[in-house]
Amino acid sequence: GNSVTQMEGPVTLSEEAFLTINCTYTATGYPSLFWYVQYPGEGLQLLLKATKADDKGSNKGFEATYRKETTSFHLEKGSVQVSDSAVYFCALISRQAGTALIFGKGTTLSVSS
Amino acid sequence: GAGVSQTPSNKVTEKGKYVELRCDPISGHTALYWYRQSLGQGPEFLIYFQGTGAADDSGLPNDRFFAVRPEGSVSTLKIQRTERGDSAVYLCASSSDRGAYNEQFFGPGTRLTVL
Repeated sequence: GNSVTQMEGPVTLSEEAFLTINCTYTATGYPSLFWYVQYPGEGLQLLLKATKADDKGSNKGFEATYRKETTSFHLEKGSVQVSDSAVYFCALISRQAGTALIFGKGTTLSVSS
Repeated sequence: GAGVSQTPSNKVTEKGKYVELRCDPISGHTALYWYRQSLGQGPEFLIYFQGTGAADDSGLPNDRFFAVRPEGSVSTLKIQRTERGDSAVYLCASSSDRGAYNEQFFGPGTRLTVL
């Protein structure tokens, strides 16, 4: 079946450090891939997406590249800020399986100044 | 404009009771989704509405769970004979089209606690 696996957290970084959160997937066909973020006390928000192989999604300094050969969609940011502290979810939609999002378990990021 | 709203924000009930959770999607959004998020897990799909009809209810865990969207806007998730294992945050999301890769906008969730 379709699934998403994320690196376990928590990830603890100092401000301005480089961030990578690993995400790999299993899916039938060619899924679309997403990163969602949940800031403390807020609802889930779409951070970025990529809909086909080799696409790069980017937003707010975060980037992720859809790698079909390694079935990965790792999230990166060159210099994190305290305000990036949140829970990050990797997700996919597989057209063959419908239009619902399939999420990973989430990775908690904590950035200290 | 207003985002997706959900009421109540918190619900505490006793085992065996009936509960209703409400979702108000973004105005004009035809697609509506319910997800359930247990502690330490990502959201899991429950049911998807396109307009008034349930287009996909494959995620409902059993027949104690039911959802309606009678006028194609507000939706209610209904849980009968609640069990302690139903405790979770129930999330609602809406999108503007059939949902094929269109952004799903999430509400803040309803935290359900079954004692």
